[in-house]
Formats: sequence, C-alpha cells, structure tokens
Amino acid sequence: AQSVTQLGSHVSVSEGALVLLRCNYSSSVPPYLFWYVQYPNQGLQLLLKYTSAATLVKGINGFEAEFKKSETSFHLTKPSAHMSDAAEYFCAVTQPSGSARQLTFGSGTQLTVLP
Amino acid sequence: NAGVTQTPKFQVLKTGQSMTLQCAQDMNHNSMYWYRQDPGMGLRLIYYSASEGTTDKGEVPNGYNVSRLNKREFSLRLESAAPSQTSVYFCASSLRGGRGQETQYFGPGTRLLVL
Repeated sequence: AQSVTQLGSHVSVSEGALVLLRCNYSSSVPPYLFWYVQYPNQGLQLLLKYTSAATLVKGINGFEAEFKKSETSFHLTKPSAHMSDAAEYFCAVTQPSGSARQLTFGSGTQLTVLP
Repeated sequence: NAGVTQTPKFQVLKTGQSMTLQCAQDMNHNSMYWYRQDPGMGLRLIYYSASEGTTDKGEVPNGYNVSRLNKREFSLRLESAAPSQTSVYFCASSLRGGRGQETQYFGPGTRLLVL
C-alpha cells in the first residue's frame, strides 16, 4: 500500500519568505511523486514530478522539490513567496509498476501569503 | 485547446434526485478519471476509464455510475443523490493511463450540494 502525509493543513508565510511544504510518503518501493497546485475555484495543475531521474526536481513558478529516500520525503520549496502562490498544494504518490489511476493524494496544504 | 471541460460548474440537488456530470477533453487522451474532493481528504478516485469502451471502479464508486461515451467524453451519474455526495467533483485525463508517471490534467470542477 502507498500513502502520503502532508504535515500542516495550513501554512502562512510572508511575501518574500521561504516556502516549505512538507510531504512524507510510505511505499514498499521507491515511488513516483507529484506536487499539484489548486488555485481558488480551479482544477489541479501539475507543479513538478519525480520519476526516478534527478532527485532535485524543478517545476513551474520557481518551485522545486527534493526526493530523499532516507527520509521518505519530497518537500516542496520556493525561495521567495509571491502573493500569487496562495493556493492549495497536494502531494501525490504512485508506483513505477502501477498505472496512472493508482495515484494517491495527500490531504492538501493551504498556503497563505501575507503582505 | 480547452483542455478538460466540465459542466455544470455548480448544482444543487434534493435528496433522491438524479443528475449527470459531463466531462470532455480535447487532448486526444485515452484515459479519463472522476474524483471527488472533500475537505481534509484530498482527492479520491470514483471511477476511471483506461480507454474508450472500458470503465472500472476506483476507491469510492458506491452511488455512482459512469459512461465513456466516446474518446472525448466521460460522464458521471448520480442515480439517487444523498447528502453524503455533497462534494467537489473533478474530471481528469491522461495520455495512456498505463504508466504511473503520467501527468493527469484536471478540469475546473463541479460543486455539488445535496440537500
């Protein structure tokens, strides 16, 4: 079985501050990992994904995430928050041997950016 | 390209009423998915269609039926709505669906309230 845990359902940062959203996974084998973003009243959009190539993955809008097998983590970071980053962020996991339908989502982290 | 479109955007039903949520994609994707999103629970897969003519149950299929009308369209039907089906429903698609690393593309969602 696979699962993801997102620590902190709500995170607030000041504009210009570091953004750190935490994601830990549970999987019997090194998984594929995704970060999706959901802006208000919109569908989910892929930010970045790890598929067993480079462990540091760069995504859109200045976000990046690092796959750390020893810590079973895939935390999302951005050096400097912008007001437009306010959204809900979902970490998701699937298996290399599995199919896209087996994508398991975390419960989400709502990011608020303070002026 | 419009991507993934969903109708309606918002719907209010009374308990016991039926309705169909429509989804269409113009990306020539083979696989399509229906998810529900509830607060604090992330997204959960209701049904998916690996390819035209095939459908299969996901994690939470009870109370729902689906139809893959053609390659573009995938509808979700509630035969007798219940308050527990109050949720936001997302349709998604991916190119082939057979590989875990595939990106899923999401529609804007349908907000359903069952009274």
